[in-house]
Amino acid sequence: DIQMTQSPSTLSASVGDRVTITCRASQSIRSWLAWYQQKPGKAPKLLIYRASTLESGVPRRISGSGSGTEFTLTISSLQPDDFATYYCQQYETSPWTFGQGTKVE
Amino acid sequence: QEQVAESGGGVVQPGRSLRLSCAASGFTFSGYAMHWVRQAPGKGLEWVAEISHDGHNSHYADSVKGRFTISRDNPKDAVYLQMNSVRREDTAVYYCARDAGEQGFFQLWGQGTLVAVSS
Repeated sequence: DIQMTQSPSTLSASVGDRVTITCRASQSIRSWLAWYQQKPGKAPKLLIYRASTLESGVPRRISGSGSGTEFTLTISSLQPDDFATYYCQQYETSPWTFGQGTKVE
Repeated sequence: QEQVAESGGGVVQPGRSLRLSCAASGFTFSGYAMHWVRQAPGKGLEWVAEISHDGHNSHYADSVKGRFTISRDNPKDAVYLQMNSVRREDTAVYYCARDAGEQGFFQLWGQGTLVAVSS
């Protein structure tokens, strides 16, 4: 199985900060990576797929980059609505696997 | 409005069975693969099972293989998860999720249904 590792596990930030979350795959997944946002008690929400394609309705302050084994999710100017947990997920090879999550607090 | 909604969760004893349902609306259900993803209390996300758009192919996480079965009824716009021989470690919120097509990522999520395995 492909292992996904996110860093950091927790990130403390303030409104207006630039925030970057890293996701590493245990083997190349080309660009088959998605990012999700989850708030407490709510279902995850798709933010980005194919490493850098923004899902419809997602604000442009959120972006994704990377390929192969290293990927990043960037929030250019953190807003109050962005405090949440973020997960990466590979879909290169089944079983589809997630990172352990990064909580932005 | 596109949506999926789970039902059927509850408390179940170890070794017993439970069937989860997911009702879809607002999109052409038969055009999409469907998944179940779970989240144990305070933990991260774990993909559980996938079924192809036509129901002909399915696959499972190793942790549930041989115990859980995913199925779908396209005329009823529904997908199911039959959970047999449940274990305490199956305790989680179970989400139904629609694929973006048949790609392997999750574009539309339900609100989740809680399954608690306890004697």
